[in-house]
Amino acid sequence: DTGVSQNPRHKITKRGQNVTFRCDPISEHNRLYWYRQTLGQGPEFLTYFQNEAQLEKSRLLSDRFSAERPKGSFSTLEIQRTEQGDSAMYLCASSRVSDNEKLFFGSGTQLSVL
Amino acid sequence: AQSVSQHNHHVILSEAASLELGCNYSYGGTVNLFWYVQYPGQHLQLLLKYFSGDPLVKGIKGFEAEFIKSKFSFNLRKPSVQWSDTAEYFCAVNEGNAGNMLTFGGGTRLMVKP
Repeated sequence: DTGVSQNPRHKITKRGQNVTFRCDPISEHNRLYWYRQTLGQGPEFLTYFQNEAQLEKSRLLSDRFSAERPKGSFSTLEIQRTEQGDSAMYLCASSRVSDNEKLFFGSGTQLSVL
Repeated sequence: AQSVSQHNHHVILSEAASLELGCNYSYGGTVNLFWYVQYPGQHLQLLLKYFSGDPLVKGIKGFEAEFIKSKFSFNLRKPSVQWSDTAEYFCAVNEGNAGNMLTFGGGTRLMVKP
């Protein structure tokens, strides 16, 4: 396994700007998850895909957040009109269907909204 | 909605001391239980998991956890910690029929003094 890759590692943006993060899962994994983690807290589930289909979406995910996985491989998470409260570590994870509960996490994208 | 509580936010131990980290969850139905670990500078990785069967599960690096259904608990234990166990530990719960959404606790930072 080459691991789950996330880009960029860090993103600093001004309030009101749009940002997009990318996640490349482990190649044979068809499930992909996005989590958000703030300082001192555990990761919070945002959404997950099986192949290209978005199957679950947390109530935490406001309308400003959108995620895609167009070809069932990499995924993007876009935040529109960023707010200071969006500052967090955004984590991506992937898994196989047959062992779907074992998640392999990436190193995350740290977003700072000024 | 389910929740996961980790009561110890910071734990400091000397090498060879025994470790027990508490985890309690609120959901009353069928659950899958996990402990994830994040070593300094690394991504989250699975330490151990419980789905069914023997409530005492063994994981990597000498860790084990016991599921006590009547107490809604899944405490993590290790008889003798090492300096290399310094990390942040997260308990997580997945409802038995709730897809792949993991609910994480707030984490426990463990520091092991050499």
